[in-house]
Amino acid sequence: GAGVSQSPSNKVTEKGKDVELRCDPISGHTALYWYRQSLGQGLEFLIYFQGNSAPDKSGLPSDRFSAERTGGSVSTLTIQRTQQEDSAVYLCASSSGTGIFTDTQYFGPGTRLTVL
Amino acid sequence: KQEVTQIPAALSVPEGENLVLNCSFTDSAIYNLQWFRQDPGKGLTSLLLIQSSQREQTSGRLNASLDKSSGRSTLYIAASQPGDSATYLCAVTQGAQKLVFGQGTRLTINP
Repeated sequence: GAGVSQSPSNKVTEKGKDVELRCDPISGHTALYWYRQSLGQGLEFLIYFQGNSAPDKSGLPSDRFSAERTGGSVSTLTIQRTQQEDSAVYLCASSSGTGIFTDTQYFGPGTRLTVL
Repeated sequence: KQEVTQIPAALSVPEGENLVLNCSFTDSAIYNLQWFRQDPGKGLTSLLLIQSSQREQTSGRLNASLDKSSGRSTLYIAASQPGDSATYLCAVTQGAQKLVFGQGTRLTINP
């Protein structure tokens, strides 16, 4: 079946603009995660959804970052007033959410964000 | 705060060799440990998942071990091939199912 998909694959924007990144998880997966991969910081957790609820938003770096998930499926990560330090690859993952000990997270190809 | 460390940061070996990648973590309160590979410009592919109650998992030429009490895991790759060249990441799952990643080991297999 289809894996996790993300769009766009690349996004170049100017400092101060807002951007939206989209994630389509594997069909039937109730858990969805956003991570950020940057050169200096490695891979960092941003936010986790179970269904449409976000029980853990602890990784969002500032209030400029927000995310939502609708219909228990598609998720959108929004970055307002982008800064150059937001430049990174944003990765989305999903899992079945049925067992914390056994849940494998499946990753999408990522969106490379460049803020000029 | 959980910290995951991978050693070495980079490794280059000739084709056919067996090799070991190391991962250590500071907090043993984990649900599981996963090994991923990442190819340039691509997302992550899950290789093996070891539950906290397990000691090892095997898939083909890959074998991963977990010693939770000492905070260590190893990924053993047998008979390495050029197609194994990639960055290998280990990650542990803690509360709320988030993954905490190491910085990765960049592996190059030379033909």
